Amino acid sequence: EVQLVESGGGLVKPGGSLRLSCAASGFTFTNTWMSWVRQAPGKGLEWVGRIKSKIDGETTEYAAPVKGRFTISRDDSKNTLYLQMNSLETEDTAMYYCVTGAYEGFDIWGQGTKVTISS
Amino acid sequence: DIQMTQSPSTLSASVGDRVTITCRASQSISSWLAWYQQKPGKAPKFLIYKASSLQSGVPSRFSGSGSGTEFTLTISSLQPDDFATYYCQQYNSGVMYIFGQGTKVELK
Repeated sequence: EVQLVESGGGLVKPGGSLRLSCAASGFTFTNTWMSWVRQAPGKGLEWVGRIKSKIDGETTEYAAPVKGRFTISRDDSKNTLYLQMNSLETEDTAMYYCVTGAYEGFDIWGQGTKVTISS
Repeated sequence: DIQMTQSPSTLSASVGDRVTITCRASQSISSWLAWYQQKPGKAPKFLIYKASSLQSGVPSRFSGSGSGTEFTLTISSLQPDDFATYYCQQYNSGVMYIFGQGTKVELK
């Protein structure tokens, strides 16, 4: 079964850090571009960032609101995607989804992990 | 930056209605447009890619059309399972992925 399972969410104070993980199974993770998408409570979807597959250079891109604070990485030996989030702000409060896809859209979504930034 | 504008924000319809949602890009995105369906408390579901290609397993009552700057998602005969929020999303190599603000389809 194709599956993405996120973990690592929680309550963090402003200025703090958090690392999210996404365990992939049921498909060839090594060849797959991966992204993180978030959704603030009651709001729409927002792309956070993307990492290409190793064969495509494993390069990363980020949305402007998180650039310089968030880092996406992957461990293909563990079929796992990561999102390191530093200097967290209240505006980063959201459900964070791990997704697969490149140019044509995001075809597989995890169930999400909730991140709350509050003092 | 490319902006994606969906309309309407909310759509009231009845079972059996033909429903159309529009997504406009502030500049041409060729056919790099996808559509998603999201129900409350759930992750979005991938419906359509490259503007008009139906993802495997998606009912044929869903269709997409358009290119350039104007795109539509049509549900030919609205079913009870289709009441949800729909998002368009574009891919642009410079700006990466941008979502529309969403259209909520509710029961009239």
